[in-house]
Order: sequence, then C-alpha cells, then structure tokens
Amino acid sequence: SQELEQSPQSLIVQEGKNLTINCTSSKTLYGLYWYKQKYGEGLIFLMMLQKGGEEKSHEKITAKLDEKKQQSSLHITASQPSHAGIYLCGADEGAQKLVFGQGTRLTINP
Amino acid sequence: NAGVMQNPRHLVRRRGQEARLRCSPMKGHSHVYWYRQLPEEGLKFMVYLQKENIIDESGMPKERFSAEFPKEGPSILRIQQVVRGDSAAYFCASSPTGGIGNTIYFGEGSWLTVV
Repeated sequence: SQELEQSPQSLIVQEGKNLTINCTSSKTLYGLYWYKQKYGEGLIFLMMLQKGGEEKSHEKITAKLDEKKQQSSLHITASQPSHAGIYLCGADEGAQKLVFGQGTRLTINP
Repeated sequence: NAGVMQNPRHLVRRRGQEARLRCSPMKGHSHVYWYRQLPEEGLKFMVYLQKENIIDESGMPKERFSAEFPKEGPSILRIQQVVRGDSAAYFCASSPTGGIGNTIYFGEGSWLTVV
C-alpha cells in the first residue's frame, strides 16, 4: 500500500518567515490532499492537486505537485500565528480512500 | 451551507459499553468515510459507505466495529464492548461522488474516551 512521508515532523518559525513542508510518496500520486488540523479539532481542507506540475494557492499558502507526481510541497509565505497547527497530506489510493502522512506540527513564534 | 456534522463531539464510555457515533454528510454528498486517529498516531481509513451500502471496510477492525449509512438519517459508527484501546478521535468525511478528484470534507470529529 502507499506510504506518505512528511518532513519535517515539526517546525518552529518566527512570525513573518516563510516555510515549506514536504510530502513524499512511495508511489505515484493520483490525488494529493492537504489539510490543516488544530489540536482537538477537525481537518480543514486546504487544497487538492492531481496533475504533475500543478500548483494551487489560497491566500498565503501555495501547494505544488511535482512533475513525477511523487512529491508535494506546501509553502507558507509571511507566516502568521493563525497558520499554527498540524498539516497533513493525504493520498488518494482509489475510490477516495485516503492514506495520510504522519503530519507536520507547525508552531509560529511571535 | 452546513459542513459535515458529527455528534457527539465528546463521549465517555466505560469498558464493555457501546459507543455510537453519528455523521451527517454535507448537503448533496452521498459518500461517507470514517477515519480513526489514535493518540500519537496518524489518521487511518476505516470504512467507506454510500447510502445503504458498504463499499470498502478494509480498515475496520474485524470484531466489535460496524458502520451503516441508511437511506434516511445519518451514518452511524458503532463500537460494541469498548476497550481502552478504542479511545481515539473518530472523523467522518463526505464527498459528492466516489471518483478521484473530488474534494473530501471532514467533520469536527468525535472524541471517544474509554474509562
């Protein structure tokens, strides 16, 4: 079955700094989802990527799927305290059954 | 436009009791998924249902766990004779269809604590 490796596992950045989270798959990605989770809360949908080379942005968050469709990156520009949380990437294994990475815990220091 | 609604948000059960978790998908969504997030572990797929049908239950424990999505009403995840190891966050998700490329929305989760 497909496995997703996220890096780093945790990240502490100063407010205003840029950061990148990576998600690497053991197999070709046919649908890659990014979610954000705050501790004790649900998952907030951020973006979904399908095509190799595809890039999507929402506010200050940009996600990209590489050409070979085995890695995705999530980039946050000028980070804010509201960006703090756990970022999860999920790969569609078929019929929208998602397998998730272990998550990246992001802390923003003021 | 209401999102995926789960209840209860928090549930405490004694060992041996039953837990019932409910999920109402987003309006217009007929596909429901249940995931479990154990403490310090990732989110794991449990079961995929459409109305009145179980499509994929490959992630469901073989015993004590069952799920349904009746023609009317919410989807129910039922855990019989709960044990401490069942303590986890259970998330429901929904999508409009089952094909690749659809946005999958998650609910706020139901946190089960077994004492």
